[in-house]
Amino acid sequence: GENVEQHPSTLSVQEGDSAVIKCTYSDSASNYFPWYKQELGKRPQLIIDIRSNVGEKKDQRIAVTLNKTAKHFSLHITETQPEDSAVYFCAARGSGGGADGLTFGKGTHLIIQP
Amino acid sequence: EAGVAQSPRYKIIEKRQSVAFWCNPISGHATLYWYQQILGQGPKLLIQFQNNGVVDDSQLPKDRFSAERLKGVDSTLKIQPAKLEDSAVYLCASSLLVTDTQYFGPGTRLTVL
Repeated sequence: GENVEQHPSTLSVQEGDSAVIKCTYSDSASNYFPWYKQELGKRPQLIIDIRSNVGEKKDQRIAVTLNKTAKHFSLHITETQPEDSAVYFCAARGSGGGADGLTFGKGTHLIIQP
Repeated sequence: EAGVAQSPRYKIIEKRQSVAFWCNPISGHATLYWYQQILGQGPKLLIQFQNNGVVDDSQLPKDRFSAERLKGVDSTLKIQPAKLEDSAVYLCASSLLVTDTQYFGPGTRLTVL
C-alpha cells in the first residue's frame, strides 16, 4: 500500500518568514495530494491540494509543488502569521479503482514565533 | 452548507466494553470514510463506503471493529470489545464523489481506561 513520509516533525519560524514542509510518497499510481491544517482539538481542514497532472498550485500565501518523477511534494507558506500555527498533514490518494482513501503523513507542528 | 456531523464528541469507557460512534455526512455525499487518529499521528483510514456498500475495509480490525451505512446516508462505527490501544479520535469524512475533496467531521475522542 501507499506510504507517506513527512518532514520535519516540528518547524519553528519567525513571523513573516517562509515555511516549507516536504512529503514523499511510495505509490507511483497516486494522483491526488491534499494538505490539511489541524488546530488543537479541531477537525482537519483542507488548505490546498494538487493533482498529478499539475506541477504547482498557488492560493495567496500558500503554494504546493509536485515532482512526480521523484515522488515528492511540498507545501510552501510565505509571510507566515501567528494564525498559521497548527499541525499540517500531507496526504496521498491512489487510483485504486474506487478504494481511494487518503494515506496521511505523520504531521508537522508549525510554530510561528512572534 | 452544513458540515459532517459526529456524535458523541467524547466518550470514556473501560477496556472490554463496547462503544458506538455516529456520523452524518454532508447532504448528497455518496462516499463516506472513517479514520482513526492516534495522538501525535496522522489519520489512518479504517473503512470507506460508496453509498451503502463497503469499498475498502482492508485496515479495519474486523475482530473488534464493525461499521455500517444503512440507506447510504448515516453511518455507525462500533468497537466491541475495546482495548487500551483503541484510545484515539475517530474522524468521519465525506466526499461528493470518490475523486472529490474529503470534508472531515469534528471527531469523537475515545478514551479507553
